[in-house]
Amino acid sequence: DAKTTQPPSMDCAEGRAANLPCNHSTISGNEYVYWYRQIHSQGPQYIIHGLKNNETNEMASLIITEDRKSSTLILPHATLRDTAVYYCIVRVAPGGYGGSQGNLIFGKGTKLSVKP
Amino acid sequence: DAGVTQSPTHLIKTRGQQVTLRCSPISGHKSVSWYQQVLGQGPQFIFQYYEKEERGRGNFPDRFSARQFPNYSSELNVNALLLGDSALYLCASSLGGADLPFFGPGTRLTVL
Repeated sequence: DAKTTQPPSMDCAEGRAANLPCNHSTISGNEYVYWYRQIHSQGPQYIIHGLKNNETNEMASLIITEDRKSSTLILPHATLRDTAVYYCIVRVAPGGYGGSQGNLIFGKGTKLSVKP
Repeated sequence: DAGVTQSPTHLIKTRGQQVTLRCSPISGHKSVSWYQQVLGQGPQFIFQYYEKEERGRGNFPDRFSARQFPNYSSELNVNALLLGDSALYLCASSLGGADLPFFGPGTRLTVL
């Protein structure tokens, strides 16, 4: 089962920031938080990941609480093309032994609808 | 650079038939994973391969099998198809088993 809890759906106005929450109260010390999104019927797209510090890239920012039990993905200026299902996943750190298992356990995610 | 590619894009089969889906990883990636996504659900892990060896298996029946070739491409086989096998089948590749997975566009399988 997925180790994360997300709201099933959210709306956001175009041009505004979209803040997507995720609870992961049972996260282990060596697990990272990953975010992927899936635009209708396409393959999931990697967005960002982090361990405990806030992370930012060209797509989004990831804010992880100090106790690491929850996080928020922020899309600073949402566009209509950001309408998608967003998945929050906890998983072992990237890298390590090449043969390590690293499958992702997806929940149902949050369906974000960006409206004009 | 080309991303993960999958073929075919769409496929229609009837119950009881067998199907083979194909995946080519990103150049340099040695690990391939397969996921099944039924309508309204998140993807569910089926298999992971690294250097042609199975490194992980999800909770799927023995009708599902896979293999990885020396060029790191992979095939997923499903025998004795059931209506419930209708889904989007996703392939993801990564440098190593625990590295960041990148997904292909998927193969949409419909079983009638």
